[in-house]
Amino acid sequence: DQQVKQNSPSLSVQEGRISILNCDYTNSMFDYFLWYKKYPAEGPTFLISISSIKDKNEDGRFTVFLNKSAKHLSLHIVPSQPGDSAVYFCAASALTGANNLFFGTGTRLTVIP
Amino acid sequence: GAGVSQSPSNKVTEKGKDVELRCDPISGHTALYWYRQSLGQGLEFLIYFQGNSAPDKSGLPSDRFSAERTGGSVSTLTIQRTQQEDSAVYLCASSSQGVQETQYFGPGTRLLVL
Repeated sequence: DQQVKQNSPSLSVQEGRISILNCDYTNSMFDYFLWYKKYPAEGPTFLISISSIKDKNEDGRFTVFLNKSAKHLSLHIVPSQPGDSAVYFCAASALTGANNLFFGTGTRLTVIP
Repeated sequence: GAGVSQSPSNKVTEKGKDVELRCDPISGHTALYWYRQSLGQGLEFLIYFQGNSAPDKSGLPSDRFSAERTGGSVSTLTIQRTQQEDSAVYLCASSSQGVQETQYFGPGTRLLVL
């Protein structure tokens, strides 16, 4: 049973525009959320995180929004750059009592120059 | 500094053979995780080591899978009597403490079982 879902397998965006990647989760115990970015033949690299006490976290061009009532989070990249082209994974965890992250299936972002 | 390294990068084996995958975590990281990513799937948790505590094996899919971590550092994931459905990318990650800390991933081992 997939507890973290990314329903869009792919997304194409023009360079300079905003990229919005979405993620839904089902487990109400999750209280810590992360986005990882993965290039081909490399392991995922941490991008940005948010805890459930916040609804927004920003780091440069990357902003993560959390809507706890909807069990939904999104990653905004603005402006998008060709180097952002990668697979983005959403992950979630319950910090108390959990030993692992639950990952979504990923969204492949292509930024068109 | 050096990141997480994994070997081999690619492994092709025949059904029924045993394989061993190696992970060298970041020096000083006490937490080590194994995940696998099958085609079209997200990362699936397999096993977690934290210091000298008993490992969390709750994600291992069958008793053909086992892992150990020697001296709190290097870890080996062993798959016995491999099956075609074991074909996946096996990823190792480490963090300085536990899940509340950022996990740093290795490049993975791509396993193909023929």
